[in-house]
Amino acid sequence: GIQVEQSPPDLILQEGANSTLRCNFSDSVNNLQWFHQNPWGQLINLFYIPSGTKQNGRLSATTVATERYSLLYISSSQTTDSGVYFCAVEDSGAGSYQLTFGKGTKLSVIP
Amino acid sequence: EAGVAQSPRYKIIEKRQSVAFWCNPISGHATLYWYQQILGQGPKLLIQFQNNGVVDDSQLPKDRFSAERLKGVDSTLKIQPAKLEDSAVYLCASSLGLGGNYNEQFFGPGTRLTVL
Repeated sequence: GIQVEQSPPDLILQEGANSTLRCNFSDSVNNLQWFHQNPWGQLINLFYIPSGTKQNGRLSATTVATERYSLLYISSSQTTDSGVYFCAVEDSGAGSYQLTFGKGTKLSVIP
Repeated sequence: EAGVAQSPRYKIIEKRQSVAFWCNPISGHATLYWYQQILGQGPKLLIQFQNNGVVDDSQLPKDRFSAERLKGVDSTLKIQPAKLEDSAVYLCASSLGLGGNYNEQFFGPGTRLTVL
């Protein structure tokens, strides 16, 4: 099946700093989503981005499908940004519509 | 618009007992998914429904897990008998449909199961 690798696994930031999270995937995809899992376990949709660039406030994401990677940018980080960020992809060749998740990047923003 | 609803939020049982989880998807969403998330890992798909039919249950441990979506709306996931390794968060998700933009998935708050 498709492999999804996220980096870095852990990240500690001072409040106000910027960061870039990376997601590499091993095959072509139909769907790519970024999620934020907050400390209470809720998975919150950030972006649906199988290709191209999107922005939402302090967050933006870029997926380069031909090179099989996606980036999530967080600017001016806040303590509420803490949690785990997951990248999840739908394998276009698998015939199934399931999302395969990476292991996540755990972000801690300190005041 | 209401999100995906799940209950209960927490459940503690002893091994070999049975347990059931309930999910109500976003209104109008035809596709429903159950995922298992073990601590420190990403969610893993257990079963996927399109309306009331199963699309993919290849990763469901069928000797102890079962799921149904009889009327094509809400769904239940059951574990019988539970094992210690079933301790996890069980997440329900829904999407408009299959393929393309229809497959953007939205998740419920999850049920945290502890098996003692």
